[in-house]
Amino acid sequence: QQQVKQSPQSLIVQKGGIPIINCAYENTAFDYFPWYQQFPGKGPALLIAIRPDVSEKKEGRFTISFNKSAKQFSLHIMDSQPGDSATYFCAPREGGTYKYIFGTGTRLKVLA
Amino acid sequence: NAGVTQTPKFQVLKTGQSMTLQCAQDMNHEYMSWYRQDPGMGLRLIHYSVGAGITDQGEVPNGYNVSRSTTEDFPLRLLSAAPSQTSVYFCASSSPHRGLKETQYFGPGTRLLVL
Repeated sequence: QQQVKQSPQSLIVQKGGIPIINCAYENTAFDYFPWYQQFPGKGPALLIAIRPDVSEKKEGRFTISFNKSAKQFSLHIMDSQPGDSATYFCAPREGGTYKYIFGTGTRLKVLA
Repeated sequence: NAGVTQTPKFQVLKTGQSMTLQCAQDMNHEYMSWYRQDPGMGLRLIHYSVGAGITDQGEVPNGYNVSRSTTEDFPLRLLSAAPSQTSVYFCASSSPHRGLKETQYFGPGTRLLVL
């Protein structure tokens, strides 16, 4: 059973574009919704995260939109740059635990 | 701080061999976990620990053992390696910060090839 569905699998945008990556989940017990960024040959690193009591969070060029009723959250990257080219993962956490369930990842390429 | 360290960086095993992947963190984090990453499948949780002496199974625990005798170390043991265990293995640690950004810190990974 796939608890977390991430889309799209890959995405190519021009520099300055606004890529959007989506994550849909089944488990209503998730209580923390982070996005991770991974560069080739490296471990993932936390990019931005949101808790379910707010609908949007911005940190620099990165924004999370959260829709609790639809059980979806998405990552928006404003003014994307070639240095943003990486793989992005959503990884919601099961409430009351430290178990994070990762999506299958989105490979983003930003063209110069 | 070195953060989360993993050894070895790369390992080749023959089917049936056993080995231990090492993971250590110097941030005094309570929570540690092991993931495997396979193409197109994201990261899948193998085992995790919420403190010394406490471990539990994740999504894909079969074929792997863990122990947590100290806060700093969380080794992952492959008892009898199989080609299906060819993967990149990541160790992570975190500490609960209610109300603040809770971050999992990942190590650089161990690339394992089982022939």
